[in-house]
Amino acid sequence: SYVLTQPPSVSVAPGKTARITCGGNNIGSKSVHWYQQKPGQAPVLVIYYDSDRPSGIPERFSGSNSGNTATLTISRVEAGDEADYYCQVWDSSSDHQVFGGGTKLTVL
Amino acid sequence: EVQLVQSGAEVKKPGESLKISCKGSGYSFTSYWIGWVRQMPGKGLEWMGIIYPGDSDTRYSPSFQGQVTISADKSISTAYLQWSSLKASDTAMYYCARLAAARPIDYWGQGTLVTVSS
Repeated sequence: SYVLTQPPSVSVAPGKTARITCGGNNIGSKSVHWYQQKPGQAPVLVIYYDSDRPSGIPERFSGSNSGNTATLTISRVEAGDEADYYCQVWDSSSDHQVFGGGTKLTVL
Repeated sequence: EVQLVQSGAEVKKPGESLKISCKGSGYSFTSYWIGWVRQMPGKGLEWMGIIYPGDSDTRYSPSFQGQVTISADKSISTAYLQWSSLKASDTAMYYCARLAAARPIDYWGQGTLVTVSS
């Protein structure tokens, strides 16, 4: 089955840029979605189809996807961005949705 | 307003059965897939399976095939996740989620906490 690999944790100072990666075999050929989950809450979609932003999500959130790596980029990081972030794809070969293991973003 | 409202927290003993629910409102329930996602304590999101209430087409992630049953009653816009014999390792938060074909999850339920303990 298709595997998505994320770093367990990323730390960044306020105002700086955080980059969270999601690795997968030829992931650039798939559509990647990103979710933010804060403690005690359900996940929220922050990026879909690699780089699109749902309404209400700040422009500071952006995404890219090429080769074997998709990246969620958060610019001008704020304390309120501290959360777990998950990438997700639909694996057409198995017809299943797949989540990455998640990355805990810590704002220093 | 689209809403997915899940049933309340459950505390069960190993070996017991359980069925939790997810009621959709504010949209055409039969036109979107409903998926179920497990989150064990302190762990990540795991995709369990999905159902299309319009025709009850159901697909399970290999890890959950045979372990749970996903169903839906379109007459009351409700999807279900059930276990016939719970184990302690089923202790987790379970989320239902809405998605259209080949699209991301756009709405989530609030989650149902299932605790299995003797």
